[in-house]
Amino acid sequence: DQQVKQNSPSLSVQEGRISILNCDYTNSMFDYFLWYKKYPAEGPTFLISISSIKDKNEDGRFTVFLNKSAKHLSLHIVPSQPGDSAVYFCAASYGSSNTGKLIFGQGTTLQVKP
Amino acid sequence: GAGVSQSPSNKVTEKGKDVELRCDPISGHTALYWYRQRLGQGLEFLIYFQGNSAPDKSGLPSDRFSAERTGESVSTLTIQRTQQEDSAVYLCASSLAAGAIYGYTFGSGTRLTVV
Repeated sequence: DQQVKQNSPSLSVQEGRISILNCDYTNSMFDYFLWYKKYPAEGPTFLISISSIKDKNEDGRFTVFLNKSAKHLSLHIVPSQPGDSAVYFCAASYGSSNTGKLIFGQGTTLQVKP
Repeated sequence: GAGVSQSPSNKVTEKGKDVELRCDPISGHTALYWYRQRLGQGLEFLIYFQGNSAPDKSGLPSDRFSAERTGESVSTLTIQRTQQEDSAVYLCASSLAAGAIYGYTFGSGTRLTVV
């Protein structure tokens, strides 16, 4: 029972263009969402998050959009850079003040071509 | 330390042997999590520790898996009688407090290969 799904295993974009990574979830009780980036042989690092009371959060080149009715979130990277090439995981949490246990998607491998 | 430290970074073991994985969280972080990532899959929650509270063991896949944490410091994840399906990267993360809003800091993981 995959509660958080990233249906695209991989994405390839040209440097300077927009990268859009998608994530769907099934549990309407999730109220906090995060994106992590992972390079090979390293642990995931936090990128950006969004609370369910918002529909958009922006941090530099990274913007996360949340569509609660569709149970869908997306991460936009503009402009994409070769250093953004990594695996991106979306994650969801039951209650921002709860245990903090995160449910992760399968990941999307982003390749940004110079 | 400055980050979350995990050891060993790689472990190859024979099927049926026991293994112990270690995690040193960031000093002062009260919450500690273990996840694993099997090949081609996402991160799978295993267990969570918060201070002196009873751990949340709901993600442990079988009774061969156990974990301990001493106070708010080191944690060890033990897998007994390892099986090939236990092969994965085991990731430890710590957080300043319980709650997703505090964010996790992950270690680099232990790659376990059961042959």
